[in-house]
Amino acid sequence: GEDVEQSLFLSVREGDSSVINCTYTDSSSTYLYWYKQEPGAGLQLLTYIFSNMDMKQDQRLTVLLNKKDKHLSLRIADTQTGDSAIYFCAESPSKGQNFVFGPGTRLSVLP
Amino acid sequence: NAGVTQTPKFRILKIGQSMTLQCTQDMNHNYMYWYRQDPGMGLKLIYYSVGAGITDKGEVPNGYNVSRSTTEDFPLRLELAAPSQTSVYFCASSRTGAVNVLTFGAGSRLTVL
Repeated sequence: GEDVEQSLFLSVREGDSSVINCTYTDSSSTYLYWYKQEPGAGLQLLTYIFSNMDMKQDQRLTVLLNKKDKHLSLRIADTQTGDSAIYFCAESPSKGQNFVFGPGTRLSVLP
Repeated sequence: NAGVTQTPKFRILKIGQSMTLQCTQDMNHNYMYWYRQDPGMGLKLIYYSVGAGITDKGEVPNGYNVSRSTTEDFPLRLELAAPSQTSVYFCASSRTGAVNVLTFGAGSRLTVL
């Protein structure tokens, strides 16, 4: 079945860039997503990318998609303490309603 | 708009007890979902619904039941609670469209002792 993998932890210094990586298995995924979960809260959509795009930029966020390697990354520029959270990569296979989530990467931002 | 509202936020159950987690959304979304989140495991889909009167199993449905009598409500029933059901449960909803964006509730933390 489909599978999404991420590293579980990442620590960066405030002001540095963070790069969170994700690999997925379903080549038919139409959209790939990044969700953010702050402590004690539900997940919130951060950004998404359509599978025919290589890159999407949204203010401090840059999403890179390598379809050949099935690799997705999220870069956060000028990382702030408010960016500390768990970041989930997710894929949505074709037009199905089931999302497949990765285990989440816990980002810690050190002052 | 309130979005997706889940109750209760916290609950402790004894083994064998039953309970219902409530979920309601006010966005007129036709799709609704229940996920459970275990540490380091991501989210696993329990059940989902594509509209009132229609429900379907997800990846981990055993020990749970759902119903969808209205567009707004999608309760999750736990029968005969077991320690393996200790988890954080999230309800989510979405509407049909090219991009299927999930809106999540704040979660319900359930402990079975």
